[in-house]
Amino acid sequence: GAVVSQHPSWVICKSGTSVKIECRSLDFQATTMFWYRQFPKQSLMLMATSNEGSKATYEQGVEKDKFLINHASLTLSTLTVTSAHPEDSSFYICSASPLTSGRRTDTQYFGPGTRLTVL
Amino acid sequence: GQQLNQSPQSMFIQEGEDVSMNCTSSSIFNTWLWYKQDPGEGPVLLIALYKAGELTSNGRLTAQFGITRKDSFLNISASIPSDVGIYFCAGQLRYAAGNKLTFGGGTRVLVKP
Repeated sequence: GAVVSQHPSWVICKSGTSVKIECRSLDFQATTMFWYRQFPKQSLMLMATSNEGSKATYEQGVEKDKFLINHASLTLSTLTVTSAHPEDSSFYICSASPLTSGRRTDTQYFGPGTRLTVL
Repeated sequence: GQQLNQSPQSMFIQEGEDVSMNCTSSSIFNTWLWYKQDPGEGPVLLIALYKAGELTSNGRLTAQFGITRKDSFLNISASIPSDVGIYFCAGQLRYAAGNKLTFGGGTRVLVKP
């Protein structure tokens, strides 16, 4: 249980285009989803916290107009990288915290990640 | 953002050996978590610790929540080849700061050639 999926698993795009990444909680509802970015051989860095039905909270230094987050339902959050550039190439990972149903609501379950390469 | 100090950064293991890694922080957390990440995948939760002093095992893994609430360690006993990967500690302030996780820099576990 507590499965989180991401789509696509990898994407290659041209510089200047926009890319949308989906994060879904498959067997639970998630009040909160988190988006992380991980560069090669580095740790996970939190980009933003996404709450269903409200605006995302971005970490310092993360451009909200560049990384658009939409959390339209309790099982889906999307991250859109707008006008992507090569420096946005990274591994993007989402996590989700359960609403309830016997699971700790503070536990984060991670998706498998999306590898973005911008040419 | 803030990071936890995780050490060692990398280590080589030989099958059957016990290995240990730890994390320290200048801030207090009320939850410590240990994750393992395989190449090209997301982190998988190994052990969660919720009380200072707590010692918890999961198979060959044992982790402890330091008494000061500023540190934690993870031990792997009788290591096997599939233990290779990157291990991350994470501190969390439950019910505060949006339940955000702060990650350590990771410990890369490799097999001795």
